Amino acid sequence: GNSVTQMEGPVTLSEEAFLTINCTYTATGYPSLFWYVQYPGEGLQLLLKATKADDKGSNKGFEATYRKETTSFHLEKGSVQVSDSAVYFCALPNRDDKIIFGKGTRLHILP
Amino acid sequence: ETGVTQSPTHLIKTRGQQVTLRCSSQSGHNTVSWYQQALGQGPQFIFQYYREEENGRGNFPPRFSGLQFPNYSSELNVNALELDDSALYLCASSRRPGNTEAFFGQGTRLTVV
Repeated sequence: GNSVTQMEGPVTLSEEAFLTINCTYTATGYPSLFWYVQYPGEGLQLLLKATKADDKGSNKGFEATYRKETTSFHLEKGSVQVSDSAVYFCALPNRDDKIIFGKGTRLHILP
Repeated sequence: ETGVTQSPTHLIKTRGQQVTLRCSSQSGHNTVSWYQQALGQGPQFIFQYYREEENGRGNFPPRFSGLQFPNYSSELNVNALELDDSALYLCASSRRPGNTEAFFGQGTRLTVV
């Protein structure tokens, strides 16, 4: 079945630093790809998505590009804020359309 | 448009007991999925309900069961609780089974002692 692997955390950065969280996937066909965010004490929120190869999803200053050549969907942000501290999950649907998640990457932003 | 709501937010149960968790789906959504998120892990798919029928199940034992009601709200029942069942249980709703853009509730934190 489809699967996703993302970089281990925690990742600690200073405010205004550049962020990259790596995500690679294994999939049959070209499913949609997602990044979800989980703020402390909350459920998951969809951060961004891309539905086909070379699509770029973006939201709240975050971006990720669907790269079929490298089977990657890395999350990037040019200048992080303390409020971005959260756990980030890369995800994609399985062949039966059920969403499967990576293990998550915890991000700490220091003021 | 109301979001996905789950109850209770926290729960403590004793090993061997049974528990019922509840979820109200977002307005206009007829599909509900349940996930288990162990500490430090990503959510794992338990099962999905569509129009009151189970529509797919993950690798969880039969003591995990569910229901969906005519208003599309849902329950997750777990019998014979084990310590390893301690986790955050997340409910997600979507407009239809094939629509993978799911909206999540805040979850129920279950602790089994």
